[in-house]
Amino acid sequence: AQSVTQPDIHITVSEGASLELRCNYSYGATPYLFWYVQSPGQGLQLLLKYFSGDTLVQGIKGFEAEFKRSQSSFNLRKPSVHWSDAAEYFCAVGPRGLMNRDDKIIFGKGTRLHILP
Amino acid sequence: NAGVTQTPKFQVLKTGQSMTLQCAQDMNHNSMYWYRQDPGMGLRLIYYSASEGTTDKGEVPDGYNVSRLKKQNFLLGLESAAPSQTSVYFCASRGFETQYFGPGTRLLVL
Repeated sequence: AQSVTQPDIHITVSEGASLELRCNYSYGATPYLFWYVQSPGQGLQLLLKYFSGDTLVQGIKGFEAEFKRSQSSFNLRKPSVHWSDAAEYFCAVGPRGLMNRDDKIIFGKGTRLHILP
Repeated sequence: NAGVTQTPKFQVLKTGQSMTLQCAQDMNHNSMYWYRQDPGMGLRLIYYSASEGTTDKGEVPDGYNVSRLKKQNFLLGLESAAPSQTSVYFCASRGFETQYFGPGTRLLVL
């Protein structure tokens, strides 16, 4: 079965500290991979995506993610978090290429990031 | 370029009332989606549409109906609203690979 697991529901880090949010997936073939961020009361904004090539991808707001095929993981990282990074983060996987009728993008349940001053 | 827009932004209904949530996208995307988001539940897919004129049920379709008569519009209907449908509803569209979300509709059913 296709699924996305974000094992941490909540994570708290101090401002200026490094961050890693975990994401593991189960999918029939190597999917497209995404990270989205949702600030309170807002919609989901795309942070970064992985399609192919370099397994370390850079996104907006200083975030990066590394695709590890052997571990079926796509963890999100940031070297130094800012108070404005407090939000909920969603990992997602989707099919390659044009979507067939039964293809869907699958989201994890999210990780809420709290920042300590 | 507006992307994905949703109307209304906020709505209060009484139990049993009906309403339609509207979603529009200007990116010429084939696929469109409706999700609901509830605390601790993440995003749950209600219905999706792979192309104009086609719709399919997602994870939680009960109590909802949808319409995709035009490529740019995807409507979500609640025929008889229930308190369990209190939620934040997000519409999204997808082009070749990436899904783009609207700002959401916050629905309260009393």
